[in-house]
Amino acid sequence: DAKTTQPPSMDCAEGRAANLPCNHSTISGNEYVYWYRQIHSQGPQYIIHGLKNNETNEMASLIITEDRKSSTLILPHATLRDTAVYYCIVAGGNQFYFGTGTSLTVIP
Amino acid sequence: DADVTQTPRNRITKTGKRIMLECSQTKGHDRMYWYRQDPGLGLRLIYYSFDVKDINKGEISDGYSVSRQAQAKFSLSLESAIPNQTALYFCATSDRFPTGGTYNEQFFGPGTRLTVL
Repeated sequence: DAKTTQPPSMDCAEGRAANLPCNHSTISGNEYVYWYRQIHSQGPQYIIHGLKNNETNEMASLIITEDRKSSTLILPHATLRDTAVYYCIVAGGNQFYFGTGTSLTVIP
Repeated sequence: DADVTQTPRNRITKTGKRIMLECSQTKGHDRMYWYRQDPGLGLRLIYYSFDVKDINKGEISDGYSVSRQAQAKFSLSLESAIPNQTALYFCATSDRFPTGGTYNEQFFGPGTRLTVL
């Protein structure tokens, strides 16, 4: 069973905030939520991670619901270079499960 | 220079051939990983190694083997390649001591595109 569920694709206007949702209803107490993105067929790039508190860094913000069953990655001002596949990952045990991700297209 | 390098970047081989994909890193990380990616799908973990003497199977290890020759080198072998092993292969590394969470950030190589005819 998939550990995370994401919409397959989303569009966002350039300059607007991109909000990418992720459901992880079976997350356990010691598992973290990680977000990576992959541009074209390059190696994935780390964005952010968190446990239960909201997190922010220079790239994005991560909002995790109080019950930890879902989260949202926010790119505050999307640019064309943010067009990529975004993966929400719940790290369980010793393995990462990438899932199929959300293909975000930023529209000029 | 790139921190994580993979060789070759592209390879075409025939069914039944043995092939090795190599990964080298200059980040000084203890942990290394091999993933494969099929078109339109996410990455799936093949093998991972937390140090030179520690090798573990991932989600899809059948048909693959690995060798951790040194801290900086982690090779993936296909003993007898088959067409459904055609995929994009990524190597990744991460630091040993997580600063938050089960894992630290993983740093990925540029990938090796493998085609098995």
